[in-house]
Parts: sequence; structure tokens; C-alpha cells
Amino acid sequence: EVQLLESGGGLVQPGGSLRLSCAASGFNFSSYGMSWVRHVLGKGLEWVSTISDRGSSTNYADSVRGRFIISRDNSKSTLYLHMDDMNAEDAATYYCVKGGEPWLALFDSWGQGALLTVSS
Amino acid sequence: EIVMTQSPVTLSISPGQSAALSCRASQGVSGNLAWYQQKPGQAPRLLISGASARATGIPARFSGGGSGTEFTLTISSLQSEDFGVYYCQQYNNWPITFGQGTRLEIK
Repeated sequence: EVQLLESGGGLVQPGGSLRLSCAASGFNFSSYGMSWVRHVLGKGLEWVSTISDRGSSTNYADSVRGRFIISRDNSKSTLYLHMDDMNAEDAATYYCVKGGEPWLALFDSWGQGALLTVSS
Repeated sequence: EIVMTQSPVTLSISPGQSAALSCRASQGVSGNLAWYQQKPGQAPRLLISGASARATGIPARFSGGGSGTEFTLTISSLQSEDFGVYYCQQYNNWPITFGQGTRLEIK
């Protein structure tokens, strides 16, 4: 069974930084692209970033490019999202998502989410 | 960016009836269209990929169709547990984009 467990959420001040982690199990992590998708309460889903299986290719939403960095450690089956210069619009529940095959951005398994609040 | 537009915004249907949810893409997505269901307080769940292929464990009452820019998710014989928000998503082009969602309420 695929399991994705996010951690690292919490309260951060505007302009601050935070790193989310996602521990994966139940599948061959190094064979799949992984993504972060966020959900603002009362609003819709927003794709944030995707990384290829080996980490050689990354893609970002315009709203986070230059501030967020997605990375992965295949030896630890862990996905990361480092977030800098955060603002109120970044407040959301962040989901770690497993990609399908062969489509990186077909989201076939989701974690339970990490809540991020941005406030002074 | 491909804009995904879903309609209607809200749908209220009685159990046992059918529901048809629409999704329109601002340009063709070559069938690389997925549908997700999200219930309050839960993570989204993949229902349909490739416009019409049900994901593992998804009941047969969920069916997807369409091509090019027009897609439909049909839920036949609605059950009470089918309430929630349904999103379409294109995964054909970067940036990946979702529709704004259709809220399905069970009467």
C-alpha cells in the first residue's frame, strides 16, 4: 500500500522560510515522479511543483518559481519542498503526491497533507 | 497556461439519480485529463485518468468521457457517499492546471 506522510507544516511569518518533508513507502520511490499540490480552504487545488524520478528535472508554478525548491532523496524515499519568502497566499494544506506512469503529473496517490499558516 | 473550466459550480441531486459534470479546456489536452474527488477534511482521490480509465478500486458507476477540449464525468445511481468536490485536471502541458471544482450535494 502506498503511504505518503508529510511533515514540517506549521506557522511561519511573512517573509519566512520552511521545509516540508514527505516520507514515502509501499512503492519503489526512485521510479516515480513526485509532486506537491496545495489546497486553500474554500478554494480549489493548485499544482505547486513536480520532480522527475531521478531528480534531474523539475517544474514549478509561476506563483512559487524562484521562492520554492523541490528536491528528493531516493536513498531515504523522501520528498522535500523548501519554501522561502513566504506570503499569505502560500497558506494552504500541502499534499505530497505520487506521479503515475508514464505521466509525472497524473496524481495517483496523495498524502494526508501538511497545514501551513502564514501570519505575523 | 491551459485554463480548465468546470460546470456547474454546484449540483444537488437525489440518491439513485445520475450526475453529469463538465470540464472544458482552453486548448486541446490530448486526452490527458483526470478527475479527482475530494471530501471535507480529506485528501483528493484519483477517479479517472486518460479521460475515461477508472483508477484502481473506483466503482463502475463513475465513468469519464470526452476528448480534445470537452470532457464529462458521469456518476450513475448516486450514493450518499458520493458527495464532495470534483476536480478535473490536465496533465498534458506545464503548468499543470485544475478546474475550479464542482460541488456535488446529495439531496
